[in-house]
Amino acid sequence: GQNIDQPTEMTATEGAIVQINCTYQTSGFNGLFWYQQHAGEAPTFLSYNVLDGLEEKGRFSSFLSRSKGYSYLLLKELQMKDSASYLCAGMDSNYQLIWGAGTKLIIKP
Amino acid sequence: ETGVTQTPRHLVMGMTNKKSLKCEQHLGHNAMYWYKQSAKKPLELMFVYSLEERVENNSVPSRFSPECPNSSHLFLHLHTLQPEDSALYLCASSQRGETGLPYEQYFGPGTRLTVT
Repeated sequence: GQNIDQPTEMTATEGAIVQINCTYQTSGFNGLFWYQQHAGEAPTFLSYNVLDGLEEKGRFSSFLSRSKGYSYLLLKELQMKDSASYLCAGMDSNYQLIWGAGTKLIIKP
Repeated sequence: ETGVTQTPRHLVMGMTNKKSLKCEQHLGHNAMYWYKQSAKKPLELMFVYSLEERVENNSVPSRFSPECPNSSHLFLHLHTLQPEDSALYLCASSQRGETGLPYEQYFGPGTRLTVT
């Protein structure tokens, strides 16, 4: 079956660095997406990885290892506004997204 | 502003009612999606309209009926719903290339549905 696993909740301190892990099992693989969703709002796109390695975009970076079925989202210089849920989604061979349940990130001052 | 709008934002309906959710995208995309989001559960893809084809999740009950009159508008018709259908219903759109590979999805704000 297809499955995406990510931690349910994480807590970090303002100004620190946090890494949110995601493991995936999909029928075929066409890339890995990360989305951010603030409470009561729509998910917004953060990153897309289809090749192994690290993609950096400002304070956010995303990493992919296809051989391990593993990705992570790295958030640096955390700000209070980064408190949100972070959704990991793998794209299967039919180009459908398989979603994780999301990681709720709590930032403390 | 995400470029994807949804109405209504909140809806309370009884189990015998019929209602419709509306979604409109202003991004020129050629694919639209309906998702169900329940608390602490993964987003559940319900329907996809892409390149004039419809793909549906076979686990979605027939009391949910989608309609896509054109590439910019998407509806979800609801009838005889159950309390367990209470959730956030999200619409999304994306561009899909000729090979079928979709780019990132843009989501609307969602309709919070409560079935009493």
